Amino acid sequence: GEDVEQSLFLSVREGDSSVINCTYTDSSSTYLYWYKQEPGAGLQLLTYIFSNMDMKQDQRLTVLLNKKDKHLSLRIADTQTGDSAIYFCAEGGGADGLTFGKGTHLIIQP
Amino acid sequence: SAVISQKPSRDICQRGTSLTIQCQVDSQVTMMFWYRQQPGQSLTLIATANQGSEATYESGFVIDKFPISRPNLTFSTLTVSNMSPEDSSIYLCSVGQGDSYEQYFGPGTRLTVT
Repeated sequence: GEDVEQSLFLSVREGDSSVINCTYTDSSSTYLYWYKQEPGAGLQLLTYIFSNMDMKQDQRLTVLLNKKDKHLSLRIADTQTGDSAIYFCAEGGGADGLTFGKGTHLIIQP
Repeated sequence: SAVISQKPSRDICQRGTSLTIQCQVDSQVTMMFWYRQQPGQSLTLIATANQGSEATYESGFVIDKFPISRPNLTFSTLTVSNMSPEDSSIYLCSVGQGDSYEQYFGPGTRLTVT
């Protein structure tokens, strides 16, 4: 079945770049997504990438996709305290619902 | 992006009772989905609810336990029936358009079953 794997925790210093990694198993995935969930809040769609793309950049966010290895990463440049949250990787899209990873807790050290 | 609201935002219910959660969108959307997020866990898709057809349930979820309605293109309900403490979760609806792969989530309904 479909599976999405992420590391549970990532700790970075304020001002450094954060790189959150994700692997998935469904080679037919159309889109891959990154969502952000702050404590007590809902899910915010950060960005998504079509499966035939290698990279997508949006301000401080860079998404890299290695389709051969089924590996997705989210890089956050100049990490700030407001970036502290759980980041979920998800795959699917269109008429299908999404399959989510367990989420990566991003911890920012001052 | 669509603005999605859910009611109630939270509830505490007795075991054996049922709760109906409403999801309202400020624009017409093709697809609506219902997810469950158990405490400290990831999101799991319960079902897909498209207007004019029966909901499609994922493995492990059945209509008798989670009946869904989708009467129009802006509204859906999910009922959690005959609740047990294991049903304590956050229930979220999400929406998507047929020509867009963006999926947006409502704020969630936090359900506690005692």
